[in-house]
Amino acid sequence: QVQLQESGPGLVKPSETLSLTCTVSGDSISSSYWTWIRQPPGKGLEWIAYTYNGGSINYNPSLRGRVAISVDTSKNQVSLKVNSVTAADTAVYYCARQRGYYPLYYFDSWGQGILVTVSS
Amino acid sequence: SYELTQPPSVSVSPGQTASITCSGDALPKKNAYWYQQKPGQAPVLVIYKDNERPSGIPQRFSGSNSGTTVTLTISGVQAEDEADYYCQSADSSSTYPVFGGGTKLIVV
Repeated sequence: QVQLQESGPGLVKPSETLSLTCTVSGDSISSSYWTWIRQPPGKGLEWIAYTYNGGSINYNPSLRGRVAISVDTSKNQVSLKVNSVTAADTAVYYCARQRGYYPLYYFDSWGQGILVTVSS
Repeated sequence: SYELTQPPSVSVSPGQTASITCSGDALPKKNAYWYQQKPGQAPVLVIYKDNERPSGIPQRFSGSNSGTTVTLTISGVQAEDEADYYCQSADSSSTYPVFGGGTKLIVV
């Protein structure tokens, strides 16, 4: 049974960089796709980025240029950085395992999520 | 940007059948997926590839794809099914995943 656990600061100041880590157990970070999805309070889900072993990477066009996804195979972790954050980046951030085949991916296991608030 | 359109809410009585729709121009060429999200919890996949149920999902959950609209059907709705439901597919250019806006299922 795969388990995912997000970690990182719950509060980030405007214009700074948001950094999150997802630690995976029960599956190898090298053998699956991994994704980040976020959900602003009271709103819907927004896909952010996915990666396969740090090589194949895709970003949401609306966020491209501000986000970066990476993996650390030695720690079985996938990470997300969002630069120049504003209040609009306040959200619960989820990591998830991605299944399927290009371009029809879906998400079969999710972390519990972490609330990140952007505020001074 | 590509959109998947869902009704904001659907109301149903316990034991009845709930149908939640999701519309998108590219859906005839793509699979759709459905997630259930209860308050304070992460989403859970309930339907994949239009009509497949993951292990552990009750048989009362089913899906269908009829052109530009896909439908999640919950037969014999139970109080525990009250939740937000999101459809998901790929954008029209087939480059990235997109979600519908979500539907709140209200069991009254």
